[in-house]
Amino acid sequence: GDSVTQMEGPVTLSEEAFLTINCTYTATGYPSLFWYVQYPGEGLQLLLKATKADDKGSNKGFEATYRKETTSFHLEKGSVQVSDSAVYFCALYPLTGGGNKLTFGTGTQLKVEL
Amino acid sequence: NAGVTQTPKFRILKIGQSMTLQCTQDMNHNYMYWYRQDPGMGLKLIYYSVGAGITDKGEVPNGYNVSRSTTEDFPLRLELAAPSQTSVYFCASSTDRGWGTDTQYFGPGTRLTVL
Repeated sequence: GDSVTQMEGPVTLSEEAFLTINCTYTATGYPSLFWYVQYPGEGLQLLLKATKADDKGSNKGFEATYRKETTSFHLEKGSVQVSDSAVYFCALYPLTGGGNKLTFGTGTQLKVEL
Repeated sequence: NAGVTQTPKFRILKIGQSMTLQCTQDMNHNYMYWYRQDPGMGLKLIYYSVGAGITDKGEVPNGYNVSRSTTEDFPLRLELAAPSQTSVYFCASSTDRGWGTDTQYFGPGTRLTVL
């Protein structure tokens, strides 16, 4: 079945450091890919998405490129801030099937320190 | 525009008790979902609905029931609560284009503890 694998956390960085959170997936065909972010005490929010190979999603300084060759969708940011501290979830929606059902990774906690 | 609202925010239940988690959205979305999030785990889909009167099981439906009598509301019922149901529950909604590109909008969650 479909699955998403994320790097384990927590990831602890100093402010202004470069961030990479790895995400790889297993799915039939070419699914849509998403990054959701969960700030402390809140529900998940869509951060960015990509719907086809080589698409780059971007938002709030974060970027991720849909790489079908490596079945990956790694999240990057050039300079993190304390306010970026949150849990980040990679997710996919399969090409086939209905119900708009997302498959989530286990989440990666990011802590940014001054 | 409130988005997706959930009540209560927190609840403690005793084993065997029952309760209903409420979820309401004001975006006129046809698709609604219930997820549970266990510590260190991703979200698991419990039930979903593609419109009023239509519901279907997700990945982990045992011990839960849902109904969808209106577009806005999608309550989740727990019967005979068990410690294994201790979790954070999220409700979400999305539009019905069904192409997989639609954003799911999440509520703030309900933290449930069963003792």
